[in-house]
Amino acid sequence: KQEVTQIPAALSVPEGENLVLNCSFTDSAIYNLQWFRQDPGKGLTSLLLIQSSQREQTSGRLNASLDKSSGRSTLYIAASQPGDSATYLCAVQGYNAGNNRKLIWGLGTSLAVNP
Amino acid sequence: NAGVTQTPKFQVLKTGQSMTLQCAQDMNHNSMYWYRQDPGMGLRLIYYSASEGTTDKGEVPNGYNVSRLNKREFSLRLESAAPSQTSVYFCASSILAGANNEQFFGPGTRLTVL
Repeated sequence: KQEVTQIPAALSVPEGENLVLNCSFTDSAIYNLQWFRQDPGKGLTSLLLIQSSQREQTSGRLNASLDKSSGRSTLYIAASQPGDSATYLCAVQGYNAGNNRKLIWGLGTSLAVNP
Repeated sequence: NAGVTQTPKFQVLKTGQSMTLQCAQDMNHNSMYWYRQDPGMGLRLIYYSASEGTTDKGEVPNGYNVSRLNKREFSLRLESAAPSQTSVYFCASSILAGANNEQFFGPGTRLTVL
C-alpha cells in the first residue's frame, strides 16, 4: 500500500533563505507526483506536477525533483518570502491495483517565512 | 474562468440531517473527485467520476452518495449526517483520470455535524 511521508512537519525560516521540503513514498509505481500549496482556510493550489518519466520541474522560484528509484521528491524554494508561508502538500498518483487513479497524500509541511 | 467552485462554503448540521454539497467546473474536464481533509489524516478520496455518466468509490465512501449531473457538475450527498463526517470537503477536477493529469481544487466546504 502506497504511503507518503513529508518531513519536516513544520519549518520556520527567515526571509531570503533557500529551503528544501522533502517527500518520500513507498511504492515506485507512480504516474506522477504533485506538489500543492494550501493557505489557511483555503483550497489547494497546484504548484508543480512531475511525470514519472521526468526528473524535475521548475516554476519561477520553485524547483521540484523526483527520484522514483529511491521514492523521494524534493521541493526547493529559492529566496523565500513571507508570502510563501503556507502548508505544502505532496501527492503521488499510482497505477498499481488499489492505487489506480488515486492521489495518495502526505500530511504536509507547514512553512513560516519570517520577515 | 472560475475554475472549480463549491457551495456552500460553510455548513452546520445536526446528526441525522441530510445535505448535498455542490461542485462545478468550467474547464471542460472529464474527471471529477470528492475528497475530505481531516487533521492528522491527510486528504482522502471519497468518490470520483472518471467521465460523465460514471462514478466509482474511493477510499472512504461509506455514508456518502454522489451524482455526476453533467460534465460540469458533481454533487456529494450525505443522507444521514454523523459527527464523524465533520470535515473539510474538497472537490477537484482533471482532464482525465488515471494518467498524468494535474488536479485542480475548489475552495472547500467546511462541514460541522453536531
